[in-house]
Amino acid sequence: AQSVSQHNHHVILSEAASLELGCNYSYGGTVNLFWYVQYPGQHLQLLLKYFSGDPLVKGIKGFEAEFIKSKFSFNLRKPSVQWSDTAEYFCAVSSGGYQKVTFGTGTKLQVIP
Amino acid sequence: DVKVTQSSRYLVKRTGEKVFLECVQDMDHENMFWYRQDPGLGLRLIYFSYDVKMKEKGDIPEGYSVSREKKERFSLILESASTNQTSMYLCASSLAKGGVGSYNEQFFGPGTRLTVL
Repeated sequence: AQSVSQHNHHVILSEAASLELGCNYSYGGTVNLFWYVQYPGQHLQLLLKYFSGDPLVKGIKGFEAEFIKSKFSFNLRKPSVQWSDTAEYFCAVSSGGYQKVTFGTGTKLQVIP
Repeated sequence: DVKVTQSSRYLVKRTGEKVFLECVQDMDHENMFWYRQDPGLGLRLIYFSYDVKMKEKGDIPEGYSVSREKKERFSLILESASTNQTSMYLCASSLAKGGVGSYNEQFFGPGTRLTVL
């Protein structure tokens, strides 16, 4: 069965600091990888996804993630965070039919102005 | 814009009650999902459906059932609510295109915060 690990449960950064959130998955076959974000009081929404091709994917609001197959990782990065990036971030993986997705436990990011 | 709506934002029920959570999507999506979200545990899949009247168990189906009589509507049923079912319940939908290995973005509703007393 597929699983997802997010190493950081709670991250606190000052504005303009760089961000990297770790995500590792366990599945040996072809995977689709995602980062979802949940801003306070809002719906969960897709930040970016990797399906195939270039392992460096860019998402909304300046976020990017790199798929490293040999490390089973899909870390999320942003060079300079803003207060508005305060949210909970979920890594997720899909590897089967019917688009079943397994989510990680989430990382709460707090950006201090 | 895809819209996924859930019948209630907040719900308070008593132990033993039968609880219905309704979800409606307006984009003709084939796939629909029910998750529960708990602090420190992330999202866990309860059930999903890939077609009308079709359902598949997710990772934590115990204590829940579902119904999908129409394509746009997916209901989650707690047959006899218990306090450990107090949680945030999220519904999602996605379009099915392609076969195994294809993916489509899941669109989420606002969630229903259920408290069982």
